Parts: sequence; C-alpha cells; structure tokens
Amino acid sequence: NAGVMQNPRHLVRRRGQEARLRCSPMKGHSHVYWYRQLPEEGLKFMVYLQKENIIDESGMPKERFSAEFPKEGPSILRIQQVVRGDSAAYFCASSPKEGLAKNIQYFGAGTRLSVL
Amino acid sequence: GEDVEQSLFLSVREGDSSVINCTYTDSSSTYLYWYKQEPGAGLQLLTYIFSNMDMKQDQRLTVLLNKKDKHLSLRIADTQTGDSAIYFCAPVGGGYNKLIFGAGTRLAVHP
Repeated sequence: NAGVMQNPRHLVRRRGQEARLRCSPMKGHSHVYWYRQLPEEGLKFMVYLQKENIIDESGMPKERFSAEFPKEGPSILRIQQVVRGDSAAYFCASSPKEGLAKNIQYFGAGTRLSVL
Repeated sequence: GEDVEQSLFLSVREGDSSVINCTYTDSSSTYLYWYKQEPGAGLQLLTYIFSNMDMKQDQRLTVLLNKKDKHLSLRIADTQTGDSAIYFCAPVGGGYNKLIFGAGTRLAVHP
C-alpha cells in the first residue's frame, strides 16, 4: 500500500511563472490537507479538501494560491505568478473518511519549491 | 490563534533517555501527535495520544499529557543515533482536524 505520493519532489520556477504541485493520497483516503514549511520553521496549515470540495481554506493566501481535489486524479496546489517568498517545502497529508484512523494524517515527502 | 511552543534544541548521549517538551494553547484539542522529520524528508508519524488519556507507551516512546497545564512530552528511551531528527508536537486545533505545529525540537544524539 503506497503512502502519500507527492510530485515533483523538487520544483524550480522563475518569478512570475506558475507552480503546480500534485498529491495522491493513500489508497482509501478521501481527505487531503496541504501545509507549507518555511526554512527553519514548523508547518503551517493551508487548506483542507475532500473530494470535489474545499472544506477549510483559512490558511491559504488570498491571492495567487488555489487548490482542488477532483473526483478523479490527484489533489493540485497551484501557485500563480510565483515570488521568492513562495520558496518553501509544501507537504500534503491524507486521512481516511471514517474508522479508527480517521483523525490521523499521513504525510508525503513534500515538494520543495525554489523560486529564482 | 492557536500556538505551540517547543525547545529548539536537545543534545543527548547515545543510550540515555531524551525528553522533548511541548506546550500548547488550544484546550479543545482532542488528539495530540508527535511527528519526526529527518533532513530533506517528510514527516513520519511517531505516536499520538487522545485528550482523555494522560499517558501512552509505545515501545521506546512514552507520551505524557497534562491537560490542565496544556503540556505534552515525548520520552525516547535508549536514544540511538538514528533518532537524530527534528521532532514536532502537533495538537489538532481550530476545527476541521487541522494540525498546529511548533517550530520543532532538533534532537542531536552523540556517542
């Protein structure tokens, strides 16, 4: 049973370009969370999604950032017109909808975004 | 908003016990997690405790929860060099099961 898969592992973009980060949750998991980790800091919550629904986006910057989790395919975190301050590690976590483990979040290896 | 505080560094000798402490502000946290992060890697779930418990033991790991003081600790017995990593305390906070992370504690294990 594969874990949470994120790709790419490393992404380099120039200022003004778009970054698309993908996350495939663990098999059977329908809840996805995105977190951002700036250098030397802890993770900060960005957004929580279920299939085709954004449940909580209270941690998402108001502009340039968007997230989706379609019925089919991975969850996508999209950053438009990237700036140097977007350079960070972006982690995705997933959890099942129900059962004893429904509150446990399992993390992917992250995507490290570098903006030149 | 919710906050989590941890000591930034801890250095221990191989074979000794390590104790990593954490304080948090959200008294409604129902689950409290400990994650381990090695350099350049993702977060590995180590253990968790429900808020209605005050202790949980899992092999070399012991978690203590003082809900009144909002204090959580992780004890690693017989610490090994492979335990060197950053350890994050992460209570659930703010609704919708989102995790609140502190800055993490860097554990260095020396011979």
